[in-house]
Amino acid sequence: DVKVTQSSRYLVKRTGEKVFLECVQDMDHENMFWYRQDPGLGLRLIYFSYDVKMKEKGDIPEGYSVSREKKERFSLILESASTNQTSMYLCASGFSGSYEQYFGPGTRLTVT
Amino acid sequence: EDQVTQSPEALRLQEGESSSLNCSYTVSGLRGLFWYRQDPGKGPEFLFTLYSAGEEKEKERLKATLTKKESFLHITAPKPEDSATYLCAVLYSGGGADGLTFGKGTHLIIQP
Repeated sequence: DVKVTQSSRYLVKRTGEKVFLECVQDMDHENMFWYRQDPGLGLRLIYFSYDVKMKEKGDIPEGYSVSREKKERFSLILESASTNQTSMYLCASGFSGSYEQYFGPGTRLTVT
Repeated sequence: EDQVTQSPEALRLQEGESSSLNCSYTVSGLRGLFWYRQDPGKGPEFLFTLYSAGEEKEKERLKATLTKKESFLHITAPKPEDSATYLCAVLYSGGGADGLTFGKGTHLIIQP
């Protein structure tokens, strides 16, 4: 079975803090993705990576950055957290060219 | 204008009462249409990929079909454990490489 794990299920941070969300997959997938999910807005793509050290902006990259130093690990960074970044963050991975994506359990981030 | 629209937003059925969920899309150059199931507090779980009009996929009580402008997820004789939010997503030429564009989902409740 594909396994995508995320470092925290719940996280509470203060405005202005730097926040790291970690994602690890064990299927040797080339592609990794970060989405956020909000009521009424659905899932929206923040960033994705198709190889180590490669990254591409998604639909809503503002206020976020990413890092992929190893194939199995993809990190999402909030440089200075703001209250409008309170959301459910979902990581996904998949093989290049297959388009199927497998999701982790999500991290519910609250910024106060 | 949303590129992927799911209807209805919510659906309540009696156990055994078959029905269909709709996903319509306006993007050009469809490369794939995906169905996911999401349980509360969890990440989406992959169900099906459809690549071309006329294609059908089945899994237990679920059957997904695709036309040129929409997809249907047919649920036959559903059980309470089929209760979940069902998400539709598309991958299209001109979209963010391998990033998916999601609809807002249909929240399905099956009453015993």
